[in-house]
Amino acid sequence: GENVEQHPSTLSVQEGDSAVIKCTYSDSASNYFPWYKQELGKRPQLIIDIRSNVGEKKDQRIAVTLNKTAKHFSLHITETQPEDSAVYFCAAKRGNSGNTPLVFGKGTRLSVIA
Amino acid sequence: GAVVSQHPSRVICKSGTSVKIECRSLDFQATTMFWYRQFPKKSLMLMATSNEGSKATYEQGVEKDKFLINHASLTLSTLTVTSAHPEDSSFYICSARGESGYYEQYFGPGTRLTVT
Repeated sequence: GENVEQHPSTLSVQEGDSAVIKCTYSDSASNYFPWYKQELGKRPQLIIDIRSNVGEKKDQRIAVTLNKTAKHFSLHITETQPEDSAVYFCAAKRGNSGNTPLVFGKGTRLSVIA
Repeated sequence: GAVVSQHPSRVICKSGTSVKIECRSLDFQATTMFWYRQFPKKSLMLMATSNEGSKATYEQGVEKDKFLINHASLTLSTLTVTSAHPEDSSFYICSARGESGYYEQYFGPGTRLTVT
């Protein structure tokens, strides 16, 4: 089945620095790759996503890149702020049919130090 | 738009009893709903996929007789944990995908189950 690997598991950065989280996936048919931010005890919140027909997408301080050949995608957060501290999950949609679920990576705990 | 609710938000039950968790899509019709389980400081583990009017599809290793899933309408799916045991204590999160949605999954706020 689909397997999503995520690295690193923890990441500490100084406020204002950039943070990069990387994921790889195994299912070559996957065509949708979202990133979620989860605060303690809360639901995952979608922060950015990318579909397989593009290689990069940016939304203000957040960007995602996708390399379909290598089957990996990355989250980039620039000018980090303390409120960016949370757990971030990457995910890949299983297969490419309509009803398939998202499979998640193990998460990265990001700490932004003021 | 795309709001998903869950009820209850927290529940404590005694070992051996059953607990039902509801997941509702409030402003859209959810043709497909997904149930995840999350242990503390861990990832979201997919339990099952349910389509309205059909039997749920369970992930490998998830006991379908223990975790009963019903998706009787386009706005409601339920997860019943039967004969709960302390090891079933976890954070259960549902998510839903609408009729027009191929990609996005919208998550409920989660239900924290504690079995004593």
